[in-house]
Amino acid sequence: QVQLVQSGAEVKKPGSSVKVSCKASGGTFRTYAINWVRQAPGQGLEWMGGSIPMFGPANYAPKFQGRVTITADESTSTAYMELTSLRSEDTAVYYCARAGETFYYYYMDVWGKGTTVTVSS
Amino acid sequence: EIVLTQSPGTLSLSPGERATLSCRASQSVSSSYLAWYQQKPGQAPRLLIYGASSRATGIPDRFSGSGSGTDFTLTISRLEPEDFAVYYCQQYGSSPYTFGQGTNLEIK
Repeated sequence: QVQLVQSGAEVKKPGSSVKVSCKASGGTFRTYAINWVRQAPGQGLEWMGGSIPMFGPANYAPKFQGRVTITADESTSTAYMELTSLRSEDTAVYYCARAGETFYYYYMDVWGKGTTVTVSS
Repeated sequence: EIVLTQSPGTLSLSPGERATLSCRASQSVSSSYLAWYQQKPGQAPRLLIYGASSRATGIPDRFSGSGSGTDFTLTISRLEPEDFAVYYCQQYGSSPYTFGQGTNLEIK
């Protein structure tokens, strides 16, 4: 049974950066896309980007291009999402989610529990 | 970017009733790469349907999906108390892989 365990909640100042981790266990890591989805308080889901570890370069939503970096460490089966130049609007729960099939950004069938990031001065 | 518009925004029904949720895309979704998720307060989303009409593992058969091109539907045949939640559609045929804004299914 695949599980995704995310890092703990963060409180950050405006203008700073945050890096959230997502450790996968119980399955193959390198061939499945790991997506990052965020949800602001009371709002809907927003796809930020993702990566397929064995393919290298990540795929980003245009809205976040230049401000988000998604990486993966195959040796520890851990994916990372770093968001820079934080502003209050980035306050949200950040989820990692694994694709349901290999080699493409398919539907997401395994989700982490989410990491709350609060941006406040 | 494909924009997904879900309707209605809120649906008020009683247990035992049939729920029909709509998801309309601004352009055709390739290969019917359309998924539905259920989300309850304080929880991560849960996959219900993928490929427009395939049920995910462990999803009861009262949930069904249909549609192609730009129009998709999630149907819950007989609502159970645990079905009241927010439902999102998502297309994964064209990057960025966008979500609809959600339909809140509430108890009448």
